Amino acid sequence: AAGVIQSPRHLIKEKRETATLKCYPIPRHDTVYWYQQGPGQDPQFLISFYEKMQSDKGSIPDRFSAQQFSDYHSELNMSSLELGDSALYFCASSLSFRTGPEGEQFFGPGTRLTVL
Amino acid sequence: DQQVKQNSPSLSVQEGRISILNCDYTNSMFDYFLWYKKYPAEGPTFLISISSIKDKNEDGRFTVFLNKSAKHLSLHIVPSQPGDSAVYFCAAHAQGGSEKLVFGKGTKLTVNP
Repeated sequence: AAGVIQSPRHLIKEKRETATLKCYPIPRHDTVYWYQQGPGQDPQFLISFYEKMQSDKGSIPDRFSAQQFSDYHSELNMSSLELGDSALYFCASSLSFRTGPEGEQFFGPGTRLTVL
Repeated sequence: DQQVKQNSPSLSVQEGRISILNCDYTNSMFDYFLWYKKYPAEGPTFLISISSIKDKNEDGRFTVFLNKSAKHLSLHIVPSQPGDSAVYFCAAHAQGGSEKLVFGKGTKLTVNP
């Protein structure tokens, strides 16, 4: 079965650079979520999109922005990178609770971002 | 403020025995609970979930129990296998439009052969 695809898997950037992370959800899933997991931490919700509209926003810095495109893939754009942005970034997708009871979120393999 | 708590950072059990992973939550608005398994360098893998209208859900070797009055849930794995060794995250979702998952800090399970 198709899973959530994330690219790149690893990314190394310098401070103050920009980074773009991509996510391709499971086909027919209408909701995409972004999470950040720091070392030894639990995943923290950043932002979500339902049917290409932002549906919820968590602890996402103003330096970060995201969008969902017409083909449902999503991109997380990160600017003015800081050392503390080094983390695993997970994308998840689901059939929204609005469309059915099975709202389990399925996660991609993550992008490991290292800021030097 | 940690709304989902997994107070045991690690658990070690013998192969064939039962593994019990515990999770407590503080937000009474949570109405859907999920368990994820995570290997290093991989994304969390969905295991099993339970709605707040139920007190038990079973899927093969995995059973999740929910005690709403105590705001407590547990994941039972029986029999445990070495391949079950991973970090297990408890997660919850709150009713009212937001579908973000709130995670616990995880419990590292080690199943010894």
